[in-house]
Amino acid sequence: RKEVEQDPGPFNVPEGATVAFNCTYSNSASQSFFWYRQDCRKEPKLLMSVYSSGNEDGRFTAQLNRASQYISLLIRDSKLSDSATYLCVPKYNQGGKLIFGQGTELSVKP
Amino acid sequence: DAGVIQSPRHEVTEMGQEVTLRCKPISGHNSLFWYRQTMMRGLELLIYFNNNVPIDDSGMPEDRFSAKMPNASFSTLKIQPSEPRDSAVYFCASSIAGGAETQYFGPGTRLLVL
Repeated sequence: RKEVEQDPGPFNVPEGATVAFNCTYSNSASQSFFWYRQDCRKEPKLLMSVYSSGNEDGRFTAQLNRASQYISLLIRDSKLSDSATYLCVPKYNQGGKLIFGQGTELSVKP
Repeated sequence: DAGVIQSPRHEVTEMGQEVTLRCKPISGHNSLFWYRQTMMRGLELLIYFNNNVPIDDSGMPEDRFSAKMPNASFSTLKIQPSEPRDSAVYFCASSIAGGAETQYFGPGTRLLVL
């Protein structure tokens, strides 16, 4: 089983739609979780951290379920500029090692 | 402020040649990471350094790969000899400390081995 599993997509949605991405991780020792965003042919950039109680940043909402080892990202009112690949990233407690998922591709159409 | 700087941005070489990729982390960052990204395998951590010391090199694919960090502002990833299956985008990233949440990635080096 892969350490991090994501639905690769692509998710093709119209502008204004709400879309949700799911991610499961296998290492129960993971303490911190993040969503990174990667635009086509660019480097990954941190989108948001994921806190135990769930957190929101504008149109983006992240949820964590430790019991099920499951993370989600919800994007409301999708914009064309949201088109990118979204990477689910658990972090091991020791050191700075991040484990990147394969990513979920999102394409927002006019 | 300058971000993570990588050079070259693109490299095309022939099988068997030595390839050296370079990285300058963000000033003040103590941790440096080398990643490789391919369509098949996604983003993989190759090695990371804390305070110039290699901490985990378990992701280095084989002896043909080596990485050094002679000082806080410079690191190299060397492939010798290169093979076509090494073709990928190689990213360098840095963070303030090993446990820091945010890693800042450089633009990457696109390597093509013919």
